[in-house]
Amino acid sequence: NAGVTQTPKFQVLKTGQSMTLQCAQDMNHNSMYWYRQDPGMGLRLIYYSASEGTTDKGEVPNGYNVSRLNKREFSLRLESAAPSQTSVYFCASSERETGIWNEQFFGPGTRLTVL
Amino acid sequence: AQTVTQSQPEMSVQEAETVTLSCTYDTSESDYYLFWYKQPPSRQMILVIRQEAYKQQNATENRFSVNFQKAAKSFSLKISDSQLGDAAMYFCAYRRGTSYDKVIFGPGTSLSVIP
Repeated sequence: NAGVTQTPKFQVLKTGQSMTLQCAQDMNHNSMYWYRQDPGMGLRLIYYSASEGTTDKGEVPNGYNVSRLNKREFSLRLESAAPSQTSVYFCASSERETGIWNEQFFGPGTRLTVL
Repeated sequence: AQTVTQSQPEMSVQEAETVTLSCTYDTSESDYYLFWYKQPPSRQMILVIRQEAYKQQNATENRFSVNFQKAAKSFSLKISDSQLGDAAMYFCAYRRGTSYDKVIFGPGTSLSVIP
C-alpha cells in the first residue's frame, strides 16, 4: 500500500500561471481533503470531498477548484496563481468504519512557490 | 464554530525528561474525536494518539499519553522519556463524530529536544 500519494513534490510558478496538484489514495477511503500549511497557522482546509461525486468548500477556498475524479483521486487546481498561494499543500483521506472515524492519512505534501 | 487552540508556539525539553503540550478546543458537540499529529522536518504528518470523546479513559501509546478533560475542553499531550526523534511540530486536531465533516487543526507547537 502506497497510502496517499501527491504529485509534484515541488513546484515554482509565475503569477498568473495555472497548475493542478494531483492526489491519489489506495485505502478505499470515501473522504478526501486538501489543506494548505503556512507558518504559525497550522493546516487550513481548502476543500473536502465526503464521497465520490461531492465536494465542499473549506475554510480558504478562494482561488482554488477541485475535482473528485473517482474514489481514489482528488485534484486541486490553481487557475491563476498568486504569490499569496505560496504554501505547502497536503492531501489527506480518512474513513468511517463501523461508525467510528479513523485518523486522517496524509500525503507527503507539495511545496509551491509563486513568484 | 469549533476552534482548536495551542497556546505554546514553542517548547523545549531535555532528553529523557517529560514534557506536556497543551491544547484546548471549543465545541457544543458531545460526539467528537481528538488527535495529536506529529510533523517532523520531513513534513510527513504522523498520527501520535487519538481520543474518542465518549471514552473516559485517557489514551496511551507507549511514551505518549493524553490528559483529556472533557468538561474543561482540554486535551494535553504528555511525552515521557523524550528522545531526539521527538523533535517536531505537534498539532492538536478535532473532528465531529456525526458527519463527514472537516478536521480542525490547531496552529501547532514546535518541540525541541536538547541533548
